[in-house]
Amino acid sequence: EVQLVESGGGLVEPGGSLRLSCAASGFTFSDYSMNWVRQAPGEGLEWVSSISSTSTYIYYADSVKGRFTVSRDNAKNSLYLQMNSLRAEDTAVYYCARVNGHWLEDYWGQGTLVTVSS
Amino acid sequence: DIQMTQSPSSVSASVGDRVTITCRASQGISSWLAWYQQKPGKAPNLLISAASSLQSGVPSRFSGSGSGTDFTLTISSLQPEDFATYYCQQANTFPLTFGGGTKVAIK
Repeated sequence: EVQLVESGGGLVEPGGSLRLSCAASGFTFSDYSMNWVRQAPGEGLEWVSSISSTSTYIYYADSVKGRFTVSRDNAKNSLYLQMNSLRAEDTAVYYCARVNGHWLEDYWGQGTLVTVSS
Repeated sequence: DIQMTQSPSSVSASVGDRVTITCRASQGISSWLAWYQQKPGKAPNLLISAASSLQSGVPSRFSGSGSGTDFTLTISSLQPEDFATYYCQQANTFPLTFGGGTKVAIK
């Protein structure tokens, strides 16, 4: 069974940093690209970042470019999102998701809430 | 960026109704489109990928069609568990973009 479990969310002040993690199991993690997608409270879905299986290809939304860094450790079956210079508008539930071929997500984690507030 | 416009933004329907949701891309995306269902407090769930490919385990009352710029999600006979919000997403070009969502509510 495919499982994705996010962690690392919490309350942080504007300008602060957080590192999200996503632990993957039930599939060969190193074979799959992965995405981060977020959802602000009461709002729709927003793609954040994508990383290919060997980290060769990495993409970011303009809204996070230069502040967020996606990475992965295939030996640890883990995906990460380092978030710096956080802003109030980054407040959201962050989901990691497995990509099924052409960058479309097929399995999602349960999400982790990031709240940026003073 | 490719804009994805979903309509309607909300719909009220009864159990057994046929419901159709449309998604229009601001430029051609071939068939690189997915449909997701999301219930309150839960992660999205993939229903259809590549515009018309039903995900394993998804009931056959869900179907998708379209290519290029115009796409449709159809629920042939709405069931109680289908009341949720539905999103389309294009994956033809980065940045990946989602539609604004369609909330299917009980009439």
